[in-house]
Amino acid sequence: AQSVTQLGSHVSVSEGALVLLRCNYSSSVPPYLFWYVQYPNQGLQLLLKYTSAATLVKGINGFEAEFKKSETSFHLTKPSAHMSDAAEYFCAVIGYSGGYQKVTFGTGTKLQVIP
Amino acid sequence: NAGVTQTPKFQVLKTGQSMTLQCAQDMNHNSMYWYRQDPGMGLRLIYYSASEGTTDKGEVPNGYNVSRLNKREFSLRLESAAPSQTSVYFCASSVTEGTDFSPLHFGNGTRLTVT
Repeated sequence: AQSVTQLGSHVSVSEGALVLLRCNYSSSVPPYLFWYVQYPNQGLQLLLKYTSAATLVKGINGFEAEFKKSETSFHLTKPSAHMSDAAEYFCAVIGYSGGYQKVTFGTGTKLQVIP
Repeated sequence: NAGVTQTPKFQVLKTGQSMTLQCAQDMNHNSMYWYRQDPGMGLRLIYYSASEGTTDKGEVPNGYNVSRLNKREFSLRLESAAPSQTSVYFCASSVTEGTDFSPLHFGNGTRLTVT
């Protein structure tokens, strides 16, 4: 069974500081991994996805994530936090189960950006 | 392009009442999903529909029914609402062709309170 674990339900950073949100996965097959962002009172939006083409994946809004098989990790980073980055971030692993695209989400990390 | 549209945005029910949450997508996606989001639990799959005419249970289907009315529309029905069904409900859609994993596209959610 596939699963993801997000370390830290809340993360606070100062504006301009590095953002690091952690995600570790468990998968018996090469995983397909996604990061989603959720702004208040909105649905989830895709930030970036890993589909085995490249280990360093660039997404929208300056975010990127690096797939590390040896560490079973897919951490999300951004060099310099902006106030508009305050949101909840979800890591997800995707596979096929019974003919449908089974998506398993982590429990989310709320990012607070301090001015 | 509206994407995934959910109605209503908010709803308050009394225990035992019934209601239907509506979802429509205009992206010609074949797969549609209903999730619920609860604090600290991420998103959990209630039901999914891999294609028009098919529906299957997800992780937490008890107390819910669904209808895939056509390729565009996928509704979620609560026959007898319970306080445990207080949650934010998200509809999502995706295109699944072969083994390509496409990201989920989410609606903005329905906030349901059952008193």
